[in-house]
Amino acid sequence: SQKIEQNSEALNIQEGKTATLTCNYTNYSPAYLQWYRQDPGRGPVFLLLIRENEKEKRKERLKVTFDTTLKQSLFHITASQPADSATYLCALDSRYSGAGSYQLTFGKGTKLSVIP
Amino acid sequence: GAVVSQHPSRVICKSGTSVKIECRSLDFQATTMFWYRQFPKQSLMLMATSNEGSKATYEQGVEKDKFLINHASLTLSTLTVTSAHPEDSSFYICSARTLGARDSPLHFGNGTRLTVT
Repeated sequence: SQKIEQNSEALNIQEGKTATLTCNYTNYSPAYLQWYRQDPGRGPVFLLLIRENEKEKRKERLKVTFDTTLKQSLFHITASQPADSATYLCALDSRYSGAGSYQLTFGKGTKLSVIP
Repeated sequence: GAVVSQHPSRVICKSGTSVKIECRSLDFQATTMFWYRQFPKQSLMLMATSNEGSKATYEQGVEKDKFLINHASLTLSTLTVTSAHPEDSSFYICSARTLGARDSPLHFGNGTRLTVT
């Protein structure tokens, strides 16, 4: 069966360091992968998308890599700040939902805590 | 940017009653909206895909008679939890895409915390 694993439920790092979060998947052949941020009691917010033919994508202090051979994506936050503390979710496209739209399947997320 | 508004943010109801949750796309039209459910420390679980003007598509294991979805316009989808029970207590979140493209991101509402007593 299809599975998405974010293999750290929680990650604590010191302010200023680089946080690296991992997303592994099995039995998928996604055309792209997305990362979202979710704060407590709020809906997720889109951060970055990377396509299967892209190795790396950057946006300000964020960097995402996508290795379709390893079936893995890494999400990096450089120069981390306490404000980066949140749960980060990876998501893969899966089935066609009709009406021209596709659905996403989400991992459980990694709760990042940046310690001052 | 695209805004999805979800109401109410919190609701407490008694067992056996029904609760309606609204999801609105404020500055774009959404032919498709997605309803998710999230338990603590768990991933977002897709419940159903709501299509404007047609019946919703429910995921396996989701009771369509219990979770009624209506997508009456291009900017409004509603989820009604009928005859709610304590096990229905959860965080319900709706989302939509501004574009139908496969890789366009989802825009989420801020969720509804449902507590059934």
